Amino acid sequence: QKEVEQNSGPLSVPEGAIASLNCTYSDRGSQSFFWYRQYSGKSPELIMFIYSNGDKEDGRFTAQLNKASQYVSLLIRDSQPSDSATYLCAGFGGYNFNKFYFGSGTKLNVKP
Amino acid sequence: NAGVMQNPRHLVRRRGQEARLRCSPMKGHSHVYWYRQLPEEGLKFMVYLQKENIIDESGMPKERFSAEFPKEGPSILRIQQVVRGDSAAYFCASSPMGRGGDTQYFGPGTRLTVL
Repeated sequence: QKEVEQNSGPLSVPEGAIASLNCTYSDRGSQSFFWYRQYSGKSPELIMFIYSNGDKEDGRFTAQLNKASQYVSLLIRDSQPSDSATYLCAGFGGYNFNKFYFGSGTKLNVKP
Repeated sequence: NAGVMQNPRHLVRRRGQEARLRCSPMKGHSHVYWYRQLPEEGLKFMVYLQKENIIDESGMPKERFSAEFPKEGPSILRIQQVVRGDSAAYFCASSPMGRGGDTQYFGPGTRLTVL
């Protein structure tokens, strides 16, 4: 079982819609979760991180964490074509405190 | 404040040659992580280093791969006797504290192609 799992997609949404990206993790001890965006051929860039149960909002982005269900999500409101990218979920902590575990990423296509 | 720097950005090697990838962390960051990414795949952790110490190399192949982060200068990922399967993007990330979910910032990556 992978430490962090994501649906590879692609997830297609129309411009202006809400895109919902999901991630599950296997280690209940994981403490922190990060969402990165990666454009094709580029390096990952941090969107936001979340430590506590509940929602965390930053502009058009909302991260949600449910530790009981071991579930993390990222909502993108008012999706734009420029949001089209691969979104990587990462978990940190748990049985190995030294490294991030990245999911394989979900490819998002926002259609104009 | 310059970001994480990696060089070269693109590296072409023939089978059996050596590849040296360099990473300079962000100013004030003393923790470096190396990842490998195959086409259409996620990031795979390779090694975590602090200055002069390898903290965790559990993700690195035991043969042909080595990493260092000397007291002075950049971190180096070295791949000896490269094979075609080593072709990938290698990303370096740095963080200031290296614990407790500290955010990692990524460099632009080195694309290694083995002919």
